[in-house]
Amino acid sequence: SQTIHQWPATLVQPVGSPLSLECTVEGTSNPNLYWYRQAAGRGLQLLFYSVGIGQISSEVPQNLSASRPQDRQFILSSKKLLLSDSGFYLCAWSGGGRTEAFFGQGTRLTVV
Amino acid sequence: AQSVTQPDIHITVSEGASLELRCNYSYGATPYLFWYVQSPGQGLQLLLKYFSGDTLVQGIKGFEAEFKRSQSSFNLRKPSVHWSDAAEYFCAVGNSGGYQKVTFGTGTKLQVIP
Repeated sequence: SQTIHQWPATLVQPVGSPLSLECTVEGTSNPNLYWYRQAAGRGLQLLFYSVGIGQISSEVPQNLSASRPQDRQFILSSKKLLLSDSGFYLCAWSGGGRTEAFFGQGTRLTVV
Repeated sequence: AQSVTQPDIHITVSEGASLELRCNYSYGATPYLFWYVQSPGQGLQLLLKYFSGDTLVQGIKGFEAEFKRSQSSFNLRKPSVHWSDAAEYFCAVGNSGGYQKVTFGTGTKLQVIP
């Protein structure tokens, strides 16, 4: 069966520090991968998606970037965090002929 | 552009009572529709989905949803709510263009009281 791992679960970082959140998927190949940010009362906002290694599409301009160095690995990064980057970040994957996405457990990022 | 409206930000029901969470969508063709549930501090879990066929869809945990094209709605229902159903529920709409095209609603937080 397929599983998705996302870490860390919580993270507190100072303003101006770098960020790296990692997501890996097991049990499937060539998944579509997604990074979402969730803010209270605003639902889920798609930040990035990837349909293959090295292929990244950005949905909104921001202080963050994403990379996909391996087929089942998706990384969310920032060179310098802003206070406004605080939030709950979710990784997800879809594919294998199924229409829905499957989500990781999320990372609570607090920028102080 | 597609959109989803969940008009109820917060709902409180008594344990054992019935539940209906509202979802209205805007989309030009037959949409793909989803309901997800999120427990506090957790990821999202798919409850059910619709993209064709029978308009009454059964999901996990005793939930069901009905697609009504004439009302552009996809309301989620459960006949008898359990305390463990307390969570946030998200409706989402998409198309066959891929999951990156899915748009989420802002969510409805469900509180269950004894």
